[in-house]
Amino acid sequence: DIQMTQSPSSVSASVGDRVTITCRASQGISSWLAWYQQKPGKAPKLLIYAASSLQSGVPSRFSGSGSGTDFTLTISSLQPDDFATYYCQQGNSFPFTFGQGTKLEIK
Amino acid sequence: QVQVVESGGGVVQPGRSLRLSCAASGFTFSSYAMHWVRQAPGKGLEWVSAISYDGSNEYYVDSVKGRFTISRDNSKSTLFLQMNSLRAEDTAVYYCVRENTRRFDPWGQGTLVTVSS
Repeated sequence: DIQMTQSPSSVSASVGDRVTITCRASQGISSWLAWYQQKPGKAPKLLIYAASSLQSGVPSRFSGSGSGTDFTLTISSLQPDDFATYYCQQGNSFPFTFGQGTKLEIK
Repeated sequence: QVQVVESGGGVVQPGRSLRLSCAASGFTFSSYAMHWVRQAPGKGLEWVSAISYDGSNEYYVDSVKGRFTISRDNSKSTLFLQMNSLRAEDTAVYYCVRENTRRFDPWGQGTLVTVSS
């Protein structure tokens, strides 16, 4: 199985900050990487797919990059609505696996 | 509006069975693979199972193999998860998700399964 490791597990930041979350796959997954945002008590929401494609309706301050084993999610200027938990997910092979999550908190 | 709505969760004793359903609407259900993803209380997301668009292929995480069965009724745009021999560690919110080229969208609101005596 492909293991997905996110870092950091949690991060504190302020409104307006630039934040980067990293996701590393235990083996190459090409660009089959998606990012999700989840708020407490809610279902996850797709932000980025194919490593760098922005899902329709998602603000352009979110961006993704990477291929192979190393990927990043960047929020260019944090807004109050962005404080949530973020997960990466690989779709290269079954079982599709998620990272453990990164909790983005207000400083 | 593309959406999926789960149902069937509840409280069940260890060793018993439960069947989850997921009603899809707003898209051609028979054209998409469908998945179940779960989230234990306070924990991260765990992929559970998938079924191909026509039901010919099924996939499971090791921890549920032999106990859970995924199926679909394309005539009714409905996805199912039959869960047998339930364990305490199966306690979670179960999400139904559509796969669109290796990504999951949309997600349902989830249905809570609690396994407890």
